[in-house]
Amino acid sequence: GENVEQHPSTLSVQEGDSAVIKCTYSDSASNYFPWYKQELGKRPQLIIDIRSNVGEKKDQRIAVTLNKTAKHFSLHITETQPEDSAVYFCAASRGTALIFGKGTTLSVSS
Amino acid sequence: GAVVSQHPSWVICKSGTSVKIECRSLDFQATTMFWYRQFPKQSLMLMATSNEGSKATYEQGVEKDKFLINHASLTLSTLTVTSAHPEDSSFYICSARFGGHSGNTIYFGEGSWLTVV
Repeated sequence: GENVEQHPSTLSVQEGDSAVIKCTYSDSASNYFPWYKQELGKRPQLIIDIRSNVGEKKDQRIAVTLNKTAKHFSLHITETQPEDSAVYFCAASRGTALIFGKGTTLSVSS
Repeated sequence: GAVVSQHPSWVICKSGTSVKIECRSLDFQATTMFWYRQFPKQSLMLMATSNEGSKATYEQGVEKDKFLINHASLTLSTLTVTSAHPEDSSFYICSARFGGHSGNTIYFGEGSWLTVV
C-alpha cells in the first residue's frame, strides 16, 4: 500500500524566511497530493493541492512542486509569518482515500 | 468550500460502553466518507472507507467489530466505538470526498474528542 514519508518533523524559522517541507510516496498510482494545515485541536485545513499532470502550483506565498519520477513533492512557504505556525501534513491519494505523512511542526518566531 | 459536520465535538464515556459519532456532508452528496483517528501529536491514521449502501472497507489492524461504520445515506456516516476502553481515547475525524468521479478534494469534519474513563 501507499507509504508517505515527511521531513522534517519540526522546523523553526524566523519571520520572513522561507520554509520547505518535503514528502515522498511509494505508490506510483497516486495522482493527487494535497497539503493540510492543522492547528491544535482543530480539523485539517486544505491549503494547496497538486495533481499528477502538473509539476508546480502556486497560491500567493504557498507553492507545491511535484516530481513524479522521483515520487516526491514539496511545500514551499515564503515570507513566513507567526500565524503560519501549525502542523503541516502532506498526503498522497490511494484510490479515493488519502494517506498522510507524519506531519511537520512549523514554528515561526518574530 | 464543501462543509462536513461532525457530532459530537467532545464525548466522555465509561469504559465498556459504546459511543456513536456522526459525520454529515451538509451541502453535497458524499458517496464515500473516510474515518481517521489521530492520537496526540501524531498523524491522521486512516481507519476505514465508508461507502454509501455497502459495507465499509477497514484498514489493516482496525477491528471492524469494534469500530462499526454505517453509511446509510449520501449525507451521513456514523462510527460507533463499541465496548470502549481508555486506549480508544483519541481524536476521531471524518472526511468526505467532493467533486464527482474525478474529483479528489477531501474536506474534513471538525473532529470528535473521545475520552474513555
